[in-house]
Amino acid sequence: EPEVTQTPSHQVTQMGQEVILRCVPISNHLYFYWYRQILGQKVEFLVSFYNNEISEKSEIFDDQFSVERPDGSNFTLKIRSTKLEDSAMYFCASSERGRGGSPLHFGNGTRLTVT
Amino acid sequence: EDQVTQSPEALRLQEGESSSLNCSYTVSGLRGLFWYRQDPGKGPEFLFTLYSAGEEKEKERLKATLTKKESFLHITAPKPEDSATYLCAVQVPSGGGADGLTFGKGTHLIIQP
Repeated sequence: EPEVTQTPSHQVTQMGQEVILRCVPISNHLYFYWYRQILGQKVEFLVSFYNNEISEKSEIFDDQFSVERPDGSNFTLKIRSTKLEDSAMYFCASSERGRGGSPLHFGNGTRLTVT
Repeated sequence: EDQVTQSPEALRLQEGESSSLNCSYTVSGLRGLFWYRQDPGKGPEFLFTLYSAGEEKEKERLKATLTKKESFLHITAPKPEDSATYLCAVQVPSGGGADGLTFGKGTHLIIQP
């Protein structure tokens, strides 16, 4: 069964450093998402992406964050200058359609630890 | 603001002891309600989508139902491998081209042998 793959599985970085989290969505999906989950808290929406542009973003997704689809298969999340509070699991997801109840399929996440 | 509340937060059952998990929601315009299963250190795994009140979906020992204000995930004769966190999420119309999901905090289910 096709799946969303994320790399790396765990990333440790120092405060103020830039990190790039990578995702390969399911191949025939056109809509891409990033979510995060701080330990013990709920899964929170960050951003959605379609047709090479941001579709929607949450208040969390400030100027420190950016997303890109650099080629036909990868989807990346960049955090420009990491803060301690950015420590979380980051999940990439993709869906076939953008609306109409199309389910999102999630990867297994990247655990980001900022020290 | 869209709200999704799940109860109970945690539930411990004996193997074979059936029960139900609740998800109540307050949204403006529901496109779909989703149930996911999340194992420790993993991403949410899709289980069901429900679109309208009265709809039901089944998969093995799980059955999901939907009313206008809440959804239930019924677990019949559970096994230890059903232990996981069950997440409820709603999809509502957004201003952009892709409708994201708003998640509840989840119910942490433990099935004891």
